[in-house]
Amino acid sequence: GIQVEQSPPDLILQEGANSTLRCNFSDSVNNLQWFHQNPWGQLINLFYIPSGTKQNGRLSATTVATERYSLLYISSSQTTDSGVYFCAVEPLNAGGTSYGKLTFGQGTILTVHP
Amino acid sequence: EPEVTQTPSHQVTQMGQEVILRCVPISNHLYFYWYRQILGQKVEFLVSFYNNEISEKSEIFDDQFSVERPDGSNFTLKIRSTKLEDSAMYFCASTALPGTVNNEQFFGPGTRLTVL
Repeated sequence: GIQVEQSPPDLILQEGANSTLRCNFSDSVNNLQWFHQNPWGQLINLFYIPSGTKQNGRLSATTVATERYSLLYISSSQTTDSGVYFCAVEPLNAGGTSYGKLTFGQGTILTVHP
Repeated sequence: EPEVTQTPSHQVTQMGQEVILRCVPISNHLYFYWYRQILGQKVEFLVSFYNNEISEKSEIFDDQFSVERPDGSNFTLKIRSTKLEDSAMYFCASTALPGTVNNEQFFGPGTRLTVL
């Protein structure tokens, strides 16, 4: 199956710093989503971004589908940004039927200190 | 904004007991999913469901698990005889139509299952 690798595994920042999280995947994808898992365990949809660039406030994401990676940028980080960030992909099932199964990476644990 | 809901938020059960986790997907979505996350690990796919049938399932989804859409709104995951290793967060998700431009998956808040 498709492999999803996220880096770095852990990231510690001071409030106000910027950061870049990376997601590499081993095959072409039909769907790529970024999630933030908050301290209560909920998965918060950040971006649906199988290709291209999107921005939402201090967060932005870019997926370069041809090179099989996606980046999540966090600018001016805040303590509330702390948590685990997951990338999840659905492989492009050329010629077949896609049922939408998402494969998740291991996540990046982000800690933002005041 | 429409959202996926799940009940209960927490469930504590004794080993060997049956549990049913409930989900209400977004109303115009056609595909439904269950995922689970053991504490400290990544989220894993369990099963996808479309048109009242399982469309895909993982190795984790053995005979102890079953899914059902008992009415027009609910989607349930049943674990027949829980084991300690079933303790995890269980997420329900739904999407309009995978394999198309409408394939963003929306996740519920999760049910934390603890098996004692």
